[in-house]
Amino acid sequence: GNSVTQMEGPVTLSEEAFLTINCTYTATGYPSLFWYVQYPGEGLQLLLKATKADDKGSNKGFEATYRKETTSFHLEKGSVQVSDSAVYFCALSDRGTGGFKTIFGAGTRLFVKA
Amino acid sequence: DTGVSQDPRHKITKRGQNVTFRCDPISEHNRLYWYRQTLGQGPEFLTYFQNEAQLEKSRLLSDRFSAERPKGSFSTLEIQRTEQGDSAMYLCASSAGDRGNQPQHFGDGTRLSIL
Repeated sequence: GNSVTQMEGPVTLSEEAFLTINCTYTATGYPSLFWYVQYPGEGLQLLLKATKADDKGSNKGFEATYRKETTSFHLEKGSVQVSDSAVYFCALSDRGTGGFKTIFGAGTRLFVKA
Repeated sequence: DTGVSQDPRHKITKRGQNVTFRCDPISEHNRLYWYRQTLGQGPEFLTYFQNEAQLEKSRLLSDRFSAERPKGSFSTLEIQRTEQGDSAMYLCASSAGDRGNQPQHFGDGTRLSIL
């Protein structure tokens, strides 16, 4: 079945450091890929998405490219800020037997130090 | 856009009792999803509706769990004969459209604690 694997956290970085959070997936079809973020005390919200191979999603300085050949969707940011401290979830949406089903990774907690 | 609303925010109950949660999606969204999330894990898919039709249900979902969306608007998730392992955050999300590439908007969740 479909699955999403993220790098384990927590990830601790200093402000202005480069961020990479790895995400790989397995899917039987052609899924759409997402990164969601959960800031402290808040609900999950969409960060970015990509719907087909080689698409690049971007938002708030974060980027991720849909790599079908390596089944990856790594999240990157060139210079993190303290306000980026949150839990990041990689997810895929693919068609199941009756409709679309979304699978989330376990999440990666990011701490950014001033 | 008032967002996805879930009620109650917290529920504490004794093992063996039945509980029901409510979700009000964003009004123009035709899709509604239920997830369960435990500490340190990502949301685990439970079921999803397109309008009033329940189109997908996780094989992990036991017969004690049932969900409805009778008029294609709000939804309820019921857990019968609760067990300790049911303690978790239950999340509801909604989205628009009829394809899998639309982002989901999440509520703040209902935290269930089984005594």
